[in-house]
Amino acid sequence: QLQLQESGPGLVKPSETPSLTCAVSGGSISSSSYCWGWIRQPPGKGLEWIGSIYYTGTTYYNPSLKSRVTISVDTSKNQFSLKLNSVTAADTAVYYCVRAHNYYGSGSYYSGWFDPWGQGTLVTVSS
Amino acid sequence: EIVMTQSPATLSVSPGERATLSCRASQSVGFNLAWYQQKPGQAPRLLIYDASTRATGIPARFSGSGSGTEFTLTISSLQSEDFAVYYCQQYNTWPRAFGQGTKVEIK
Repeated sequence: QLQLQESGPGLVKPSETPSLTCAVSGGSISSSSYCWGWIRQPPGKGLEWIGSIYYTGTTYYNPSLKSRVTISVDTSKNQFSLKLNSVTAADTAVYYCVRAHNYYGSGSYYSGWFDPWGQGTLVTVSS
Repeated sequence: EIVMTQSPATLSVSPGERATLSCRASQSVGFNLAWYQQKPGQAPRLLIYDASTRATGIPARFSGSGSGTEFTLTISSLQSEDFAVYYCQQYNTWPRAFGQGTKVEIK
């Protein structure tokens, strides 16, 4: 059974650039059947998709965060990472890593629903 | 960008009753819609994908319907473990988008 485990700095200061990592176990990150992503949830609020990456390195980002986000994949370590530049208090959230199932449509494969999710890691931005 | 709107924000239901949750997309997403359940302190869990296909291990009391811009999640007979927040999410176009959630609470 595939499992995802996030790791991150916990507490960061404003303007810093934290990096989060998602370790994938029980399956290969290099499968063409899946895409990998990050989703966040500020305390007491809803879910926000941050971005997704294929094992080939192709990325898609939320336009609202695109200028500050970098998602990368390390197939040798079976993990992927999120880097968020110049954080502010508004970036305080639980960050989840997810696997997206690819589906076939209109002559190609596309990234679909998210399952499973990691347990999440809280990143707090505070001085 | 597609905006997902869920209604109502909160739904008060008695155990054993039926709950109907709505999700509307600002433009057509076809059948490319998923539903998730989130309980306090837990990560969301996939319930439904492709608008109406139950994920592995999801009880039959959960059902999804709809296409295009209008979708519904129905819980036929609410159990105590079903009181939670439910999110819809489209995966038809980038950027992916979630609805703001519907909280199902005990009446």
